[in-house]
Amino acid sequence: GAVVSQHPSRVICKSGTSVKIECRSLDFQATTMFWYRQFPKQSLMLMATSNEGSKATYEQGVEKDKFLINHASLTLSTLTVTSAHPEDSSFYICSATPGSGSSYEQYFGPGTRLTVT
Amino acid sequence: ELKVEQNPLFLSMQEGKNYTIYCNYSTTSDRLYWYRQDPGKSLESLFVLLSNGAVKQEGRLMASLDTKARLSTLHITAAVHDLSATYFCAPSQGGSEKLVFGKGTKLTVNP
Repeated sequence: GAVVSQHPSRVICKSGTSVKIECRSLDFQATTMFWYRQFPKQSLMLMATSNEGSKATYEQGVEKDKFLINHASLTLSTLTVTSAHPEDSSFYICSATPGSGSSYEQYFGPGTRLTVT
Repeated sequence: ELKVEQNPLFLSMQEGKNYTIYCNYSTTSDRLYWYRQDPGKSLESLFVLLSNGAVKQEGRLMASLDTKARLSTLHITAAVHDLSATYFCAPSQGGSEKLVFGKGTKLTVNP
């Protein structure tokens, strides 16, 4: 099946610094990618929809200036957590959909565990 | 706003038994997904259900969709320990590709 990768898989950073997370679709082009956040023992919450070539669409309550999303190509979206704080510590997961054909599958990346100290 | 209710949230069952996880959602949805998540891992796709009455089976898992009742079920047959994981349902929101996740059902299969 289709593969979505994320990098890094795990990152520890100090409070106040910024962290960039990459999401790549390895064997298909993705005009749309999604970014989710999952706190321990909780469900996934959609943060934003990343659209290639245009601005991301953020869900209510998600600060767009704090979580910068760039979808520079059909295979790469990045999420930058700016001025990270301990409450931003979470598991960040991206997903991508080929957007063509009749598959309707959404493929999830392996996730990035962010710890802010 | 699409709301999703999954139950039960916790399920402990013995190997060899059958059980069903329920997923109710509040507004019309084009399709519904079921995912499995192991501790510390990301999501593994199980099923995509696209139409009313859709039924899909893979091994000991079978998923169904009733769009009129806004209900999907995930049925486990003769559970084995390897099925222990958290299972999420996620209907799509309106006509978009955005998914809204249920809270998940943590399944523990005991020998």
